[in-house]
Amino acid sequence: ETGVTQTPRHLVMGMTNKKSLKCEQHLGHNAMYWYKQSAKKPLELMFVYNFKEQTENNSVPSRFSPECPNSSHLFLHLHTLQPEDSALYLCASSPQGINGYTFGSGTRLTVV
Amino acid sequence: GEDVEQSLFLSVREGDSSVINCTYTDSSSTYLYWYKQEPGAGLQLLTYIFSNMDMKQDQRLTVLLNKKDKHLSLRIADTQTGDSAIYFCADPSGAGSYQLTFGKGTKLSVIP
Repeated sequence: ETGVTQTPRHLVMGMTNKKSLKCEQHLGHNAMYWYKQSAKKPLELMFVYNFKEQTENNSVPSRFSPECPNSSHLFLHLHTLQPEDSALYLCASSPQGINGYTFGSGTRLTVV
Repeated sequence: GEDVEQSLFLSVREGDSSVINCTYTDSSSTYLYWYKQEPGAGLQLLTYIFSNMDMKQDQRLTVLLNKKDKHLSLRIADTQTGDSAIYFCADPSGAGSYQLTFGKGTKLSVIP
């Protein structure tokens, strides 16, 4: 366990489904991130939250909707996804200091 | 914007040394990081180096920093099969110093 917990670990969903990914950290970090990692692309930063406020949205399609209700929890709501959205979705958190990011183990998403 | 470049693949024999190289463009970074990703897992902070250092050694790991050439390297001595993973170089950049830009990752394969 890294201190950042992601659930579920694996998710298979149809293109018409709605699902949510959850990320939780109790490290006292104030920044949280969603990344997408697919086989053919490098790590793609999707969203950044700092003190619960969204500070970055890297041109992510609206079928991905983040939510940060407090500094310990981050969600990624998914609806009407496409097969090309199949990837490993990683959550990370960080303090504003030297220690860099702490990553969760990721959710392996398959869209069928 | 910030760019972090790494070679994609490296293959070494067990017991040999591995050297993974990285170049970056943002010279204002205070710290530079190496992350390790094992199959099916998230990224794990491996080590980091303060920008006023040329070298940092931590057991089998040696990090070398050449600020003039903006070149960072990670040397793994006596490489073991358990070192097989993807290694990411990361440089703080973006809207705040807490935000990291990652390279594409170098996949290290260790041949028994």
